[in-house]
Amino acid sequence: LAKTTQPISMDSYEGQEVNITCSHNNIATNDYITWYQQFPSQGPRFIIQGYKTKVTNEVASLFIPADRKSSTLSLPRVSLSDTAVYYCLVGDQRDYKLSFGAGTTVTVRA
Amino acid sequence: DAGVIQSPRHEVTEMGQEVTLRCKPISGHDYLFWYRQTMMRGLELLIYFNNNVPIDDSGMPEDRFSAKMPNASFSTLKIQPSEPRDSAVYFCASSLRYALNTEAFFGQGTRLTVV
Repeated sequence: LAKTTQPISMDSYEGQEVNITCSHNNIATNDYITWYQQFPSQGPRFIIQGYKTKVTNEVASLFIPADRKSSTLSLPRVSLSDTAVYYCLVGDQRDYKLSFGAGTTVTVRA
Repeated sequence: DAGVIQSPRHEVTEMGQEVTLRCKPISGHDYLFWYRQTMMRGLELLIYFNNNVPIDDSGMPEDRFSAKMPNASFSTLKIQPSEPRDSAVYFCASSLRYALNTEAFFGQGTRLTVV
């Protein structure tokens, strides 16, 4: 499982865009990049996954440069309800230990 | 589907008592995972099952912890005897197949307090 590094915390205000960058320098060819979101007192929730370039869904966008050594989760126009911990995971189907690091605590203020 | 269902949501018990946490995975999911979350250690994978068979229990902290999956719709995590340091939130998750490119669905968790 590729080691990931992401900021411990980020603060933002309602309506702003939040970008969380995850570094994964030793990412392997078969690895996918997955992000989970965890609200207080809830279990983590899958939000987006990608392999290369850009992926967008109704919640977020994921930008992956050509070298894939990092990725950026983008949350457009955040609201107070986006306050959560965001986890970056990197691995492939052989990585049965779905391992969560410390994550990034995003706090959105009014 | 109602999602992954865990019970109880909260459990307070005295040190030395047996604690049993329960999980009902999403119907049709082949994999079931048990996690523990604390402020100090974050989310830790304790054990996971594939088709009701334990595959990797290397994350189980001690012999006091045991997990079973008697059928595809039910799993238990038991702590006997419980200790204050076992206090944590325990999550159960299930997925259709194990791969990082497959979404894992988590339950609401059981908050365990051992006094």
